[in-house]
Formats: sequence, C-alpha cells, structure tokens
Amino acid sequence: EPEVTQTPSHQVTQMGQEVILRCVPISNHLYFYWYRQILGQKVEFLVSFYNNEISEKSEIFDDQFSVERPDGSNFTLKIRSTKLEDSAMYFCASIPDRGGYGYTFGSGTRLTVV
Amino acid sequence: DQQVKQNSPSLSVQEGRISILNCDYTNSMFDYFLWYKKYPAEGPTFLISISSIKDKNEDGRFTVFLNKSAKHLSLHIVPSQPGDSAVYFCAATPLRAGKSTFGDGTTLTVKP
Repeated sequence: EPEVTQTPSHQVTQMGQEVILRCVPISNHLYFYWYRQILGQKVEFLVSFYNNEISEKSEIFDDQFSVERPDGSNFTLKIRSTKLEDSAMYFCASIPDRGGYGYTFGSGTRLTVV
Repeated sequence: DQQVKQNSPSLSVQEGRISILNCDYTNSMFDYFLWYKKYPAEGPTFLISISSIKDKNEDGRFTVFLNKSAKHLSLHIVPSQPGDSAVYFCAATPLRAGKSTFGDGTTLTVKP
C-alpha cells in the first residue's frame, strides 16, 4: 500500500536554529498538508498546499514557517528560527482529490527544540 | 473555538463487546466527517468517513452514524478486539479539500 514517508523521524535542534522537515507524499495525490501535535494536545492544522502554492494556512503558520515542493516529489516544511514551543510531532499528509478522502499520514517527525 | 469535540478522554470495553466513541461539532458547514486511529509513535490512520448527506456508513466492524440535527457523530466497533486499543480522533472537513479540524481524541482500551 502506498505510503507517505517523513524524514527524519526525530530531530533535536537548538533554539533559534533552522530546521527542514521532509516528506514524500503519495505520487498521484494532489493535496498536501502539514499538521502538528504538541504532546498531550490535539492534532493542529498548519498549512495546505495544492497546485504548487499554499491554499490555506493557520494562525500558527507565521513568517517563521514556509513550505516548498522543490522537485515534484518532496514536500518540505521549514522553520526558520525555532522556538521551544515548536517542539511537537509534525505530520505530513496527502489526499488524491477533494471529496472527503481520508488523509494518508506519514509516521511523523518528532521535533525537540532545546 | 473548539469546533469538534470528543468529550470522553478514555473508554474501556471488554473484548467482543461494542465500543461506541462519540463526537460533537458546532460548524454546520462541514461536508465530511472522518475517524482516524492512532497508535503511539505513528501517524493517524484513516478508518472511515461519512458524507453530511448520509446518516450511516459501514465498513466491516466499523460503523459511523451521523445525526445532523444534533451535530453528533459516533463510531461503533463491533466486535471490539484488543488490537483496536488506540487513540481515536474524529475530524471534520469541508468539500473544498481545506483543512480538517480534529477532536481531542478518545483513548480506547479493549481488555482481553
């Protein structure tokens, strides 16, 4: 069964450093998402991406965050200057089209900012 | 503004019995409702969905019921198995493939 692949599985970084989280969505999917889950809290929407541009973003997704699909397969989330409160599990997800499809999630990247 | 709520943080049932997980929502504009299962250290896995124009959808042991007038949905698992022990999230999404809004999750424990 096709998978969404995320790397790395765990990233530890110092506050103020830049991190790039990587995702390879399912190849024939059209809509891509980043979500995060802070320990003990709910899964929160960050950003959606369609047709090579951001289609929607949350209040969390401020100027420190950016997304790219640089080569038609990878989908990256960059945090420019990490803060302690950015520590969370970050999940990439994709769906083939509109219409109530369930997301296929990756297994996540645990980001720890120290 | 918690648009999707799961009021029970945990549920424990005996193997073979029915598990009923509940979810309430406030936004009438949602078009689809979905249930996901999540094991520790893994991403959520999609289980089953229902369109807002339906009131029931069934897939094997999993059935989702939607009561639009009450803005309430539930997931029934029959019969429950120990492997069903996980955190279950309900989520709601608009047709336009925008963001899904997730509930807080309910931890289901199925005892052998």
